[in-house]
Amino acid sequence: KQEVTQIPAALSVPEGENLVLNCSFTDSAIYNLQWFRQDPGKGLTSLLLIQSSQREQTSGRLNASLDKSSGRSTLYIAASQPGDSATYLCAVYPGGFKTIFGAGTRLFVKA
Amino acid sequence: DAGVIQSPRHEVTEMGQEVTLRCKPISGHNSLFWYRQTMMRGLELLIYFNNNVPIDDSGMPEDRFSAKMPNASFSTLKIQPSEPRDSAVYFCASGWANVLTFGAGSRLTVL
Repeated sequence: KQEVTQIPAALSVPEGENLVLNCSFTDSAIYNLQWFRQDPGKGLTSLLLIQSSQREQTSGRLNASLDKSSGRSTLYIAASQPGDSATYLCAVYPGGFKTIFGAGTRLFVKA
Repeated sequence: DAGVIQSPRHEVTEMGQEVTLRCKPISGHNSLFWYRQTMMRGLELLIYFNNNVPIDDSGMPEDRFSAKMPNASFSTLKIQPSEPRDSAVYFCASGWANVLTFGAGSRLTVL
């Protein structure tokens, strides 16, 4: 059974720091991995999608990597800003229409 | 495209009343998912459809919950009768090529 774990559960950093959020999954047989952002009281917004054949994806200050063999993905945020404060969720698609979500990392960037 | 549209955005009702949540997926997406999110349990998959057909409803908590997708552009999630423990944010997501797009959610409060 596929399980997705995100560490840390919460993180507080000063503005300007580079930071890494971690996601691990138990079964390496995945088709893709998606990183989402959720602001308080809002829906989930897709940030980056990595297909199983890819190693990383970049969008602005965000870079997501995927290592299927070790069951890990990282989301790197460069030069963090207070506006980056949100919950970040990782989700893997193992096939069969079902996407498995982690519990998320709650990020707070202090001005 | 306007994205995934959910209504109502907020619903406050009394225990025992029927609640109907609505979702309009993105045109062309062939899968639709209903999720529930609470602080205690995180994001839970309730049911998903592929090409308007329910594929897996094992996440539906009780017989009080039912979901329909009469056509490719509309789905409903119904709770009858509602209970205070059903209070949560209910998200609809539609998918294509195994990539999910979420709606803004419907926040349900059952008194």
